[in-house]
Amino acid sequence: SQTIHQWPATLVQPVGSPLSLECTVEGTSNPNLYWYRQAAGRGLQLLFYSVGIGQISSEVPQNLSASRPQDRQFILSSKKLLLSDSGFYLCAWSVQGGADTQYFGPGTRLTVL
Amino acid sequence: AQSVTQPDIHITVSEGASLELRCNYSYGATPYLFWYVQSPGQGLQLLLKYFSGDTLVQGIKGFEAEFKRSQSSFNLRKPSVHWSDAAEYFCAVNSNMLTFGGGTRLMVKP
Repeated sequence: SQTIHQWPATLVQPVGSPLSLECTVEGTSNPNLYWYRQAAGRGLQLLFYSVGIGQISSEVPQNLSASRPQDRQFILSSKKLLLSDSGFYLCAWSVQGGADTQYFGPGTRLTVL
Repeated sequence: AQSVTQPDIHITVSEGASLELRCNYSYGATPYLFWYVQSPGQGLQLLLKYFSGDTLVQGIKGFEAEFKRSQSSFNLRKPSVHWSDAAEYFCAVNSNMLTFGGGTRLMVKP
């Protein structure tokens, strides 16, 4: 069966520091991968999605970037964190092609101080 | 553009009572519809989905949802709520990308 992991689970970082969040999927090949942010008291906002290695689409211009160095690895990064980057970051995967079901990871809670 | 509305931000029900969470969507054709549940500090878990066929779909944990095309609705129901159902519930529609409603936070009174 497929599983999705996110690391770390919790992170506290100072303003201006770099960020790297990792998401890995097991048990499937060539998935679509997604990064979402969930700010306190708000819904989910799609940040990036990827249909293949090195292919990244950005939904919202911001301080963050994403990379997909391997088929089942998706990384969310920032060179300099802002206070507004605080939130709950969720990674998700779906089968390639069509409007299929997305399955979510456990999330990373990021607090920027 | 597609959109999803969950009119109720908070709902409180007594344990053992029935539950209905409302979801309305806006989309030109028949969309793919989903309900997810999120416990505090956790990721989203898929409860059920509707792609086509029978408009009443059964999900996990005793939940069901009914697709009503005429009302553009996909309401989630459970006949008897348990204290462990307290969580936030998200309705979503997927035509090309997944669009979420704002969520409904369910509280369960003992």
